[in-house]
Amino acid sequence: GDSVTQMEGPVTLSEEAFLTINCTYTATGYPSLFWYVQYPGEGLQLLLKATKADDKGSNKGFEATYRKETTSFHLEKGSVQVSDSAVYFCALSDRGTGNQFYFGTGTSLTVIP
Amino acid sequence: DSGVTQTPKHLITATGQRVTLRCSPRSGDLSVYWYQQSLDQGLQFLIQYYNGEERAKGNILERFSAQQFPDLHSELNLSSLELGDSALYFCASSVVAGGPGDTQYFGPGTRLTVL
Repeated sequence: GDSVTQMEGPVTLSEEAFLTINCTYTATGYPSLFWYVQYPGEGLQLLLKATKADDKGSNKGFEATYRKETTSFHLEKGSVQVSDSAVYFCALSDRGTGNQFYFGTGTSLTVIP
Repeated sequence: DSGVTQTPKHLITATGQRVTLRCSPRSGDLSVYWYQQSLDQGLQFLIQYYNGEERAKGNILERFSAQQFPDLHSELNLSSLELGDSALYFCASSVVAGGPGDTQYFGPGTRLTVL
């Protein structure tokens, strides 16, 4: 079945460091891929998405490229800030399974000044 | 602010009781999804409704049920509550039943504590 595997956390970085959070997926059809962010005490917010292979989603300095050949959608940011501290979820929506969403387990990021 | 509202924000109750969580989707969204988030299980999909009809079912217990009303708001009913049901319950909505890039927008959640 469909699934999303995310890099285990927690991740702790210094401000201005480079961030990569790995995400790989398994899907039976042609999935759309998403990154959601959850700040402390809040619900999930869409960070970025990509709907087909080689698409790049970007928002707030974060980027992720839909790589069909490696079934990956890694999240990157060149220079993290303290305000980026949150939990990041990779997710997919697969037309082949009725567009049900599958979420990864989440990766907690803490950025220290 | 995602435009999805959930009430109540917090709920404290006892084992064996029944509670109802309410969700209002974003204006124009026809689909509503319910999720449970706990520390040990992560984010679990429970159930989806589209325009009043059940569309997909995930890891929803038989003690739980949901419905979507004609005005598109949804309620999640949890009965015979157990300690393990303590969690954050999120509602999300999307425009359609899901399609390429159809995005789910999440509410702020209801924190349920079962004592």
